[in-house]
Amino acid sequence: RKEVEQDPGPFNVPEGATVAFNCTYSNSASQSFFWYRQDCRKEPKLLMSVYSSGNEDGRFTAQLNRASQYISLLIRDSKLSDSATYLCVVLKAAGNKLTFGGGTRVLVKP
Amino acid sequence: GAGVSQTPSNKVTEKGKYVELRCDPISGHTALYWYRQSLGQGPEFLIYFQGTGAADDSGLPNDRFFAVRPEGSVSTLKIQRTERGDSAVYLCASSLGAYNEQFFGPGTRLTVL
Repeated sequence: RKEVEQDPGPFNVPEGATVAFNCTYSNSASQSFFWYRQDCRKEPKLLMSVYSSGNEDGRFTAQLNRASQYISLLIRDSKLSDSATYLCVVLKAAGNKLTFGGGTRVLVKP
Repeated sequence: GAGVSQTPSNKVTEKGKYVELRCDPISGHTALYWYRQSLGQGPEFLIYFQGTGAADDSGLPNDRFFAVRPEGSVSTLKIQRTERGDSAVYLCASSLGAYNEQFFGPGTRLTVL
């Protein structure tokens, strides 16, 4: 079983709609959580960190559920430019290597 | 300012050959990481340097893979006797220190024929 699992999608989203997706992680020692965005044939870029209390950055909302070991990302008022692969990433308490999920592909269409 | 740079951007080689991939981190970043991303997968950790030393090389798949960072800045990932399964995008990242945000370079796309 992979340490971080995501639905690969694609999630086909009408422009202006809301889309949400989760990822699950298996290692309870995971300490920090992030969502990265990766455009086609580009490098991953940090979208936002995920905090236990949940956090929002503009149209993006991230939630963490430690008890069930899952993280979610919600995108409101989707824009065409939101089309990308969203990578769920965890960092364990020991060491600082990032563990990535396989990514969820989102396609926003007019 | 300049981000992480990687050269070459693309490398095509034949099975059995030796390749070197270079990473120039952001100036002043003491931590440097190598990841490998296969098609349709997320990046997988290979090795982490803090300064000149490899602090964690647990992700290197086997002894054909080796990385150095002799002066604590530029790093080179070296792959001996390449195999077709080594084909992937090799990503380098750097951070100001341990546990700071990691910034990724554009990657080197390695194709082993």
